[in-house]
Amino acid sequence: EVQLVQSGVEVKKSGESLKISCKGSGYLFNSYWIAWVRQMPGKGLEWMGVIYPEDSDTRYSPSFQGQVTISADKSSSTAYLQWSSLKTSDTAMYFCVRHGHAGYCSSSSCAIDYWGQGTLVTVSS
Amino acid sequence: DIQMTQSPSTLSASVGDRVTITCRASQSISTWLAWYQQKPGKAPNLLIYKASSLERGVPSRFSGRGSGTEFTLTISSLQPDDFATYYCQQYNTYWWTFGQGTKVEIK
Repeated sequence: EVQLVQSGVEVKKSGESLKISCKGSGYLFNSYWIAWVRQMPGKGLEWMGVIYPEDSDTRYSPSFQGQVTISADKSSSTAYLQWSSLKTSDTAMYFCVRHGHAGYCSSSSCAIDYWGQGTLVTVSS
Repeated sequence: DIQMTQSPSTLSASVGDRVTITCRASQSISTWLAWYQQKPGKAPNLLIYKASSLERGVPSRFSGRGSGTEFTLTISSLQPDDFATYYCQQYNTYWWTFGQGTKVEIK
């Protein structure tokens, strides 16, 4: 069974650093793109960026470029999202998601076939 | 970037109703469109991919149509479990964009 299991709730203060995780299991982790999606309270879904664990090819939305860092550790089948200096506006639920297999894909990207359960990050001033 | 616009933002309906949600893309995305259902406090779930392909395990009352810039998600007979928020997503480019969501409420 494919699973993406994310790290737990985080409560931080502005200016602090943070790294949240997403552990994949039940499939060949290295061979599927993993993306991060933000959902601010009461709002919609925003694509932040994506990584291919096999070679760490990483792409960011312009809205998040320079604001976060996406990484992956093949040996532990884990992807990460990190901030060096949090802002109160980073308060949100963050989901890691898996690109679907070839049947779900265009030439450039794929529909999401699996989602993590989400990590709630709350940042106070 | 490709903008995705859903309508309506909120839809009030009764059990048994046929409901349709529309998603428009700011430029052609062929059939590279997915639909997701999200319930409060939960991660979204894939319903439809490639505009009209039903994801495994999704009830057949859900269907998707469209190509180019205009797409629809139809629920043929609304069930109590279907009250949720629905999002469209384009994956024509590696930079995904989502619609703003349509909340389906009990009338």
